[in-house]
Parts: sequence; C-alpha cells; structure tokens
Amino acid sequence: QKEVEQNSGPLSVPEGAIASLNCTYSDRGSQSFFWYRQYSGKSPELIMFIYSNGDKEDGRFTAQLNKASQYVSLLIRDSQPSDSATYLCAVRDLYNFNKFYFGSGTKLNVKP
Amino acid sequence: DADVTQTPRNRITKTGKRIMLECSQTKGHDRMYWYRQDPGLGLRLIYYSFDVKDINKGEISDGYSVSRQAQAKFSLSLESAIPNQTALYFCATSDPEGQGASSSTDTQYFGPGTRLTVL
Repeated sequence: QKEVEQNSGPLSVPEGAIASLNCTYSDRGSQSFFWYRQYSGKSPELIMFIYSNGDKEDGRFTAQLNKASQYVSLLIRDSQPSDSATYLCAVRDLYNFNKFYFGSGTKLNVKP
Repeated sequence: DADVTQTPRNRITKTGKRIMLECSQTKGHDRMYWYRQDPGLGLRLIYYSFDVKDINKGEISDGYSVSRQAQAKFSLSLESAIPNQTALYFCATSDPEGQGASSSTDTQYFGPGTRLTVL
C-alpha cells in the first residue's frame, strides 16, 4: 500500500510569514509530485507539480523535492488570509502513471 | 462555465438504496476518475477510466460500480448504499497528452463534488 503522509495541522501562521507544508511518501521510486489547494467545501485545484530534486518556484509558492529523503514540501511566502485552506500532497504511481495517491492534507490558517 | 460537472451536489439516502452519481466534462479528456474524500483520510481512488472501453478499479472499489457512457460521461453507482459510504465524492479528469492550456501534463481537474449521506 503506497502511503503519502502529511501532518493534518492546523498550521497557523501570521499574515506575511512563510508557511511550510511537508509531505513524505513511501514509494522510493516515485517521480512526480503535486500540491493541490482545497478550500473548505470546494474541490482541489492544482498549485504546483515537481519532478526533479531541488526547488521549483512559482510566484509566492516554492515546491521542494528531496527524493533521497522521500519528502516534498511547499513553501508559501508572504502568506495571505486567502491562502487559508487545506493543502493536499499527491504522488503519481510509479508503474501506472494514471493513478495518483493523495495525502490527507494539512490545514493552513493564515491570521490577519 | 464549469468544465467538470457533477450531479447531484447533495444527496441523502437510506441504507440499501441504489444511488447513481453522474459526472460530465467538456474538457475533451480521455481519462476520468472517481474519488471519495473522508475526513482525515484524504482522497482515495474508487475507479478510473482511460476511455469508454477501459475501466479500472482503484484502491476502494468494493461496493461501487461505474459506467463510461461516452468520453464525456462517467457515472458511479452504489448498488446498495451503506452508512460507511457517507463521504464527499469527486470526479476528476486528466489530460496526459498535454494538449490543454496548462503546462502540466498530469493535472487532474476536479468537479465540484457530491456530498452523499447514507442513513
């Protein structure tokens, strides 16, 4: 059973701070990683994907991947109250690229 | 306009009833998925389909069945609903050929969800 683990939170940060969200995965050979944002009562929407070790930046968001340690993280700089949501980490199946495994999500609260 | 739609959005039913959840998409994607989301458990894959002739079980297919009536339609059925099937159900599509506007070839586009309660 492939596992994707996230701290459920809630993670509380003040407005303007950096929020750091972490995810670990069990399948050492996994190659593709995704971060989704889900507002309460809404559907998940993709924020970023990362395939290579290192950092990938997109605006205020930075995804970090360390395959040797089997973790992927999401940094949100200059956090805004509108960033308050649950963030889901997803990993694509190594052998069936049409399958994705999701973590249970980390709830982020950004306080004004 | 929503590209992935689900009906109904909310449904309350009783144990033993047959329920069908419907999903339609206008994105032209071949791949469609059904997930359920439970508090603390994240999204779990029920079934997925590559095209109208290819349907595959996911992690938790027991108690569910699906039908891919057309490229744009993928229905999920609960033949005899039970209370532990109470959950939020999402349909999703993906475009692995990268023909969409997004640069990601792996993006999953989710519908708005169906909240199902089985009493």
